[in-house]
Formats: sequence, C-alpha cells, structure tokens
Amino acid sequence: GENVEQHPSTLSVQEGDSAVIKCTYSDSASNYFPWYKQELGKGPQLIIDIRSNVGEKKDQRIAVTLNKTAKHFSLHITETQPEDSAVYFCAPRRGSTLGRLYFGRGTQLTVWP
Amino acid sequence: EAQVTQNPRYLITVTGKKLTVTCSQNMNHEYMSWYRQDPGLGLRQIYYSMNVEVTDKGDVPEGYKVSRKEKRNFPLILESPSPNQTSLYFCASSLWAGTSGSNNEQFFGPGTRLTVL
Repeated sequence: GENVEQHPSTLSVQEGDSAVIKCTYSDSASNYFPWYKQELGKGPQLIIDIRSNVGEKKDQRIAVTLNKTAKHFSLHITETQPEDSAVYFCAPRRGSTLGRLYFGRGTQLTVWP
Repeated sequence: EAQVTQNPRYLITVTGKKLTVTCSQNMNHEYMSWYRQDPGLGLRQIYYSMNVEVTDKGDVPEGYKVSRKEKRNFPLILESPSPNQTSLYFCASSLWAGTSGSNNEQFFGPGTRLTVL
C-alpha cells in the first residue's frame, strides 16, 4: 500500500509568519493530493486539494504545491493566524485504489499570537 | 443540514462487552469508511464500503466488524472489545472513491471517544 510520511510532526510559528508542511508518498500512480485540517474536538475537514495535472493551487492564504517527480507535495499557509492552529493531514491516493486510503501521521501546527 | 453523525460520542466500557458505534450520513454518499486515530499514528483505516452490501478491510481491521445494509448507515461493531481498542474513532463518507470526478471529498463525523477498561 501507499507509504505516506509527513514532516514536521509539530510546527510552532508566530502569528503572521508562514508555515510549510511536507508530505511524501511512495505510489507513483497517485493522482489526487488533499490536505485536511482537524480542529480540536472535531473531525478532519478538507481544506485544499490538487490533482496530478496541476503543479500548484492557491486559495486565499493556503496553497498546495506538487512535485510528482520527487513524489511529494506541500501545504503552504501564509500570514498565519491563531485560528490556523490545528492538526493537518495529507492523504495521497489514486483512483484505481478502490477505497483504501492512507493518511499521513499529522502535523500539529501552533500559531502564537 | 448535510452531515455525518456518530453515536455515542463518548463511551466507557469493559473488556469483552460487545458494542456498536453507529454512523449515518444524509448525503446519499456511496462510499463510507471507519478510521481510528491514535497519538503519533494519525488516521488509520479500519473498514470501508464502496456501496450497499460491499465492504472491505482497511489497514487495521482486526477486532472489528462492519455492515452496510442500507446506504445511509455504516455501523462499527466490536464483538469483544479489548483495551488496545481504546481510541478516537471517525466515520467518513464521500460521494464515491474515484478521483477522476470532482466529488471525492471525504466528510467526517464528529468522532467517538472509546475507552475499554
């Protein structure tokens, strides 16, 4: 199955700084790359995703970049705010993997005011 | 409101006492899945279902059972719970599990915190 690694496991930044979380994967056939945000006491929620035919996608302060050759993709958060504090998960996959899904171990992001 | 609901939200039980955690979605989603979340291990898939009467094992299925008799419900059954099943459990659903379309976002329930003594 897919081997997914996420780094770093914890990240602390000052409000207004940028944060970058990296996800590496093993399955070269992966073609869908989402990032989920889990706030305290809640279930994960999709915040941004990218498909393999696109190198970068932005949505306001968050962006995802993909390097298919190196088999990694990254979540970028600019101008961080305290409400960005959460656990972030990546979950790369391919459509032919019928139902099996693999998540990274998560990154705890803390944004200090 | 479109949502995934789980019950109970919290449960403390004893070893060997059978229990069921219910999961229901009102979005007519075909795909449903169960995960457990443990510190340092992230989310690990237990079982998933591509559609009614179709279920399959995920990464950590041992000690769990599921059923999908109707589209909206996907209960998780622990026939004889053990302390190593103490965890935070999440149910999730999505329209379908393929990636060629646009509707492959997973919607997660609020979680069930289970403690087995």
